Amino acid sequence: NAGVMQNPRHLVRRRGQEARLRCSPMKGHSHVYWYRQLPEEGLKFMVYLQKENIIDESGMPKERFSAEFPKEGPSILRIQQVVRGDSAAYFCASSSLGGLDETQYFGPGTRLLVL
Amino acid sequence: AQSVTQLDSQVPVFEEAPVELRCNYSSSVSVYLFWYVQYPNQGLQLLLKYLSGSTLVKGINGFEAEFNKSQTSFHLRKPSVHISDTAEYFCAVRRRALTFGSGTRLQVQP
Repeated sequence: NAGVMQNPRHLVRRRGQEARLRCSPMKGHSHVYWYRQLPEEGLKFMVYLQKENIIDESGMPKERFSAEFPKEGPSILRIQQVVRGDSAAYFCASSSLGGLDETQYFGPGTRLLVL
Repeated sequence: AQSVTQLDSQVPVFEEAPVELRCNYSSSVSVYLFWYVQYPNQGLQLLLKYLSGSTLVKGINGFEAEFNKSQTSFHLRKPSVHISDTAEYFCAVRRRALTFGSGTRLQVQP
């Protein structure tokens, strides 16, 4: 059973470009969470999605960031017009039912570098 | 609102010595508590979690943690560390999503 997959593992973008980060949850999991880790900091929650629904986006910046989790295919975190401050590691986690006591399984992360 | 404080950003320790990584949380309601480990350039791996019941929780790799409600703490301990335990350790609380502390870098020296 494959774990949570994220691609690309490393992404380099110039200021103003778009970044698309993909996350394939574990098989059988329909709940996806995105977190951002800035250098020397802990992970910060961004958004929580179920298939075709955004459940909680309280941690998402109001502009330039969006997320989706379509019926088919991976979850996508999209950052438009990237700035240097977007450089960070972005982690995706998944769980099967979304219960509070459930373990979230993390992917290896995508490390975004904005030049 | 909830928050997690990890009091030590770095903890150097010699191999085979005991270690305690401290974590305090604040929350207005009951929470679930977690410890995760992050090895360099990898994602997070669950070490252990406290949901309810016994306040002493045993996890993987010989780690354990004790939930102390009166002190709002959830400190992580291991009686004898190995070089391979060198990593970043994160304490987290959960209501809907996880709220993480800033992490403690455990550096095990030979």
